Amino acid sequence: DAKTTQPNSMESNEEEPVHLPCNHSTISGTDYIHWYRQLPSQGPEYVIHGLTSNVNNRMASLAIAEDRKSSTLILHRATLRDAAVYYCMMNTGNQFYFGTGTSLTVIP
Amino acid sequence: EAGVAQSPRYKIIEKRQSVAFWCNPISGHATLYWYQQILGQGPKLLIQFQNNGVVDDSQLPKDRFSAERLKGVDSTLKIQPAKLEDSAVYLCASSLSDGLGTEAFFGQGTRLTVV
Repeated sequence: DAKTTQPNSMESNEEEPVHLPCNHSTISGTDYIHWYRQLPSQGPEYVIHGLTSNVNNRMASLAIAEDRKSSTLILHRATLRDAAVYYCMMNTGNQFYFGTGTSLTVIP
Repeated sequence: EAGVAQSPRYKIIEKRQSVAFWCNPISGHATLYWYQQILGQGPKLLIQFQNNGVVDDSQLPKDRFSAERLKGVDSTLKIQPAKLEDSAVYLCASSLSDGLGTEAFFGQGTRLTVV
């Protein structure tokens, strides 16, 4: 399995930015970095992905380190609906291998 | 656009019984995945299909689990006989192609309880 390392849990105050880190030191040159999140009792939901450059979409931003061995998912203003488990993955060989993820708690 | 459909949503069976789960991927999606998610853990890939061919089934317990994808569209995952440790949520996902960088879309899953 392609391994990633994330903190087990993080907390954020509502309407503040959240930076969720991920280490993927074994990443190879063609691996994409994907982020998914899973709300309670639902299937995982795509958030964002990138290869080398930083990426922005309506949900979040993805900052990728220059050596690509780590990345950070940025939620610009956390809301209560952002409380979920966030998974960072390397898209290796067309497979998506999930780790244990980071459980994000948003405090009102 | 309709999402990935799975049925049933919930299933309770006794150990040693058999069970089957059904998945209808998003129309046009060539790649289909089955995952097992045990409570408190991340999803674990069981099998991946590209059209109706198997790409990876290295983590599928083949002595009791089987899966097929009919005509490269719908898929069924079967467990026979079930064990207590098979209690989990079974997630189906699909993606447009097997190209790197393609996002996967997940269904809501089937929660299996084996008693």
